[in-house]
Formats: sequence, C-alpha cells, structure tokens
Amino acid sequence: AAGVIQSPRHLIKEKRETATLKCYPIPRHDTVYWYQQGPGQDPQFLISFYEKMQSDKGSIPDRFSAQQFSDYHSELNMSSLELGDSALYFCASSLRMVGTEAFFGQGTRLTVV
Amino acid sequence: GEDVEQSLFLSVREGDSSVINCTYTDSSSTYLYWYKQEPGAGLQLLTYIFSNMDMKQDQRLTVLLNKKDKHLSLRIADTQTGDSAIYFCAESEGAGNMLTFGGGTRLMVKP
Repeated sequence: AAGVIQSPRHLIKEKRETATLKCYPIPRHDTVYWYQQGPGQDPQFLISFYEKMQSDKGSIPDRFSAQQFSDYHSELNMSSLELGDSALYFCASSLRMVGTEAFFGQGTRLTVV
Repeated sequence: GEDVEQSLFLSVREGDSSVINCTYTDSSSTYLYWYKQEPGAGLQLLTYIFSNMDMKQDQRLTVLLNKKDKHLSLRIADTQTGDSAIYFCAESEGAGNMLTFGGGTRLMVKP
C-alpha cells in the first residue's frame, strides 16, 4: 500500500539559507500534518492542513511557512535557517471522515551547518 | 495545556512481557495512540484506542486505558529483539486534530 512520501530524505544547508521540504500524502487523504523532532526529543506539531486550508497551527516559527496544493501534496518552506532547526521533519496524513489514524512518512533529516 | 508523560527507559529479556506506561493530563483527549520509532526511522502507528474504551487487543499488543486516572499502558507479549525501539504515547482531541506526544520510552530487549 502507498505510504506518505517525503523528499528529500536528507538535506544539509548552511545558516541563513532556505530549505523546502515536500510531502506527498497517502492517496485520498485530505489532512496533512507537519512535525519537528529534535535530537532525543518527541515530535512537536508545527502545522496542519485540511482540504488545502490551514487547519491548526502549533509551534511553527515565523520563518517557516507551509501550504497544501491542489494535488494535496504539501511543502514546508524554511528560511533564515538556524543551527537549532536541525531536526527530523515528519509529515503525516489522515482521512478525516474515515478514521483518526495519522500515518507518518519516513521524515526528512535537516542538518544546518 | 496538554501534557503527556512516559518513563524514559525499559529493559526486558526476550520472551518476557513488556509494559510501557503513559499518563496524560488533557481531559479532552479522545484518542490515544502508540507509535514505534526505530533508530533513524519514521513513526509507525501500532495501535490506538478511543477514550470510551478501556481495553484493546491486537495480536501481541494490549492497550489498557484508565480514563479516571488518565493512564494508558501498552503491553507487548513475548517481547522479541525486533521490538527494541522507542515507543511514543500520543493523544488527540479528535479526528484531524494534532497529536501531542509523550517523551518516548526506549525499550531494550536483551537476548
């Protein structure tokens, strides 16, 4: 079965650069979530989208923005990168009307040097 | 605000049962989940339980929920070395809502 696809899997950027992370949800899933997991930390919710509209907002810095496109894929844009942004970034998707399970992608490991 | 807590570490011998505990504070928690994360990997959904249930069993996994005490546990029967991972408890207030995770419990299974 198709899973949540994230790209790239690994990304190395320098301080003050920008990064774009992509997420392709499970087909027909209408809700996408982004989480950030720092080293040795639990995942922290950043932002979510339902039917291409922002649904919920967590601890997402102002330097970050995200959107969901007409084909339901989502992108997380990160600007003015800081060393502290180094983390695993997970995307998850779910189908709101059917159930509550959120399925996670393999994550993008971002390293800021 | 919501708070989900877990013990940091659990070590068991292969073949024994493992019990991982979790407590949460949000009375609005409607769904409670267990995720497994292997090193460098993503989060794998193991099971979830609705707040109006007190037990759910799925093969080697048994979830117990004490809603009064806001206590959730995951029991893994016949624990195998392949079960070694970090286990995260998470809660949400409803379908489509964000997940709030606990800090994770690192399970080590010794041969």
